[in-house]
Amino acid sequence: DAGVIQSPRHEVTEMGQEVTLRCKPISGHDYLFWYRQTMMRGLELLIYFNNNVPIDDSGMPEDRFSAKMPNASFSTLKIQPSEPRDSAVYFCASSRIGPLGYTFGSGTRLTVV
Amino acid sequence: DQQVKQNSPSLSVQEGRISILNCDYTNSMFDYFLWYKKYPAEGPTFLISISSIKDKNEDGRFTVFLNKSAKHLSLHIVPSQPGDSAVYFCAAREGAQKLVFGQGTRLTINP
Repeated sequence: DAGVIQSPRHEVTEMGQEVTLRCKPISGHDYLFWYRQTMMRGLELLIYFNNNVPIDDSGMPEDRFSAKMPNASFSTLKIQPSEPRDSAVYFCASSRIGPLGYTFGSGTRLTVV
Repeated sequence: DQQVKQNSPSLSVQEGRISILNCDYTNSMFDYFLWYKKYPAEGPTFLISISSIKDKNEDGRFTVFLNKSAKHLSLHIVPSQPGDSAVYFCAAREGAQKLVFGQGTRLTINP
């Protein structure tokens, strides 16, 4: 099992550009989560999906952020237009139902200049 | 606003001694609590969990304690080892599968 795969590992972009982050969850996992890590707030949940359907997007900062899960093996998080305050590490995680927690990917470090 | 809080951004402990990481929460509806460990340039990895109906769970050198009346949990690591140096996140489960995380505590184990 290759685990949760995120791409790219690093992204540097200019303010105003569109950014797309990608995630491949573990096969068989029903849930997919997008988190953002910041110093002030730690790991913030942005959105999560169950069986490819968005369940809770209350953590998405504003309309500039959108996420899709077109099938069970792929999800994207898009920021358009990007701003310097979006600079953070973005993590994708997946899980089955149950209390044992998630498996996280290695993250995408986004820098908006 | 922050439902799960880790008030100590960092902790330094001597190798072989006990490390105690603390976490406070506000939502009494949380039913599971978890600790995650994160090394630089890697994603967080699951360490240990505890159900809200228990007050202690132990796994080797790691023990998690839950005090529901105080809405407080702690992670004890005994004895601490250099490989334990990492950022530790406390998390609580809300609803079917949603985890709410704290800000993290950076633990440094000194030789």
